[in-house]
Amino acid sequence: SYVLTQPPSVSVAPGKTARITCGGNDIGSKRVHWYRQKPGQAPVLVLYYDSDRPLGIPERFSGFNAGSAATLTLSGVEAGDEADYYCQVWDSSADVWVFGGGTKLTVL
Amino acid sequence: EVQLVESGGGLIQPGGSLTLSCAVSGFAVSSNYMSWVRQAPGKGLEWVSIIYAGGNTYYADSVKGRFTISRDSSKNTLYLQMSSLRAEDTAFYYCARADTQAFDYWGQGTLVTVSS
Repeated sequence: SYVLTQPPSVSVAPGKTARITCGGNDIGSKRVHWYRQKPGQAPVLVLYYDSDRPLGIPERFSGFNAGSAATLTLSGVEAGDEADYYCQVWDSSADVWVFGGGTKLTVL
Repeated sequence: EVQLVESGGGLIQPGGSLTLSCAVSGFAVSSNYMSWVRQAPGKGLEWVSIIYAGGNTYYADSVKGRFTISRDSSKNTLYLQMSSLRAEDTAFYYCARADTQAFDYWGQGTLVTVSS
């Protein structure tokens, strides 16, 4: 089965740029989607199709996907960005949806 | 306004059965890909099952043969029938709409606890 690998944690100072990676075999050939989940809340889609933002998601969120890793970049990090972030793909070969293990973003 | 509201969670003994519901407003369940995603307390997200607009269904290996996803277009509601429940099925269960492969709308979740 397809596996997505994320770092367990990323820390960043306010105002700086956070980068969260999502590794997978030839992930560049897939479409990657990203979610933010705050404690006690449901996940929220923040990027789809590697880099597209849903309505209401600020331009501070951007994404890139090539080769063996996809990256979520969050610029101008704010205290309110502290959350768990998950990547996700659709594995068309098996018709299964796969999530990464999640990355806890800490704002120092 | 789009809303997804799950219900049916609770405490169930190992080996028992439970059916979760997800009442949807704002779009037609039968015209969309609808899914269940679960999250064990303190753990990450795990995809469970999906039903396509055409009716095809797919399951994670961890629940295949034990869980059944279905929908009722007259009630605009998604269901998840769970049987032979195990302790490792303990989780918050979210229903979500899948659009262009991503889950764009989510419910708030319902907690299923499997314990004796």
